[in-house]
Amino acid sequence: DTGVSQNPRHKITKRGQNVTFRCDPISEHNRLYWYRQTLGQGPEFLTYFQNEAQLEKSRLLSDRFSAERPKGSFSTLEIQRTEQGDSAMYLCASSLVVSEAFFGQGTRLTVV
Amino acid sequence: LAKTTQPISMDSYEGQEVNITCSHNNIATNDYITWYQQFPSQGPRFIIQGYKTKVTNEVASLFIPADRKSSTLSLPRVSLSDTAVYYCLVPTGANNLFFGTGTRLTVIP
Repeated sequence: DTGVSQNPRHKITKRGQNVTFRCDPISEHNRLYWYRQTLGQGPEFLTYFQNEAQLEKSRLLSDRFSAERPKGSFSTLEIQRTEQGDSAMYLCASSLVVSEAFFGQGTRLTVV
Repeated sequence: LAKTTQPISMDSYEGQEVNITCSHNNIATNDYITWYQQFPSQGPRFIIQGYKTKVTNEVASLFIPADRKSSTLSLPRVSLSDTAVYYCLVPTGANNLFFGTGTRLTVIP
């Protein structure tokens, strides 16, 4: 399967714990995006990488959130000191052009 | 980013043609119109993109009038598996995609 891969698919964590998600994009795609989606809403943009450079961050990305894309390949999204409001589906996407993005199946985070 | 407006939900019987219209009154000259489909518990999937007139692929057709202030996604002869949320986007010029809440299509047997 050469699509976008996200791990883990599901994560349950206690409030206050740190979590890290991984995204492996389609290999030739230089653009990588993170989105967050809650029930009944469309995906909300979090951050964008072009190769290894993080070029854009949403105001949704508080100081507790950090994302990296070392060497312009896979990316990680870390949430520190998780809160119940962080419970959501975290989606990663990659693309060559912004309009045609390929999404992974997401990581569903539940903070208890 | 051009703001888009589309119906919150639609119902259709199996075998019917479904048309979902999106308005984007402040679309810019260079903007394209893009549609995504999202099934429950999956990421969105790109289905079609167009600039003007008509575009057709194996999944859908996209109709865009001359003034480009709206577009219509047409799904021929829908089946139960077409039940999904459909998003209309106008992404050109931005480094991200703004999805909105989309149109929840329910196909009824």
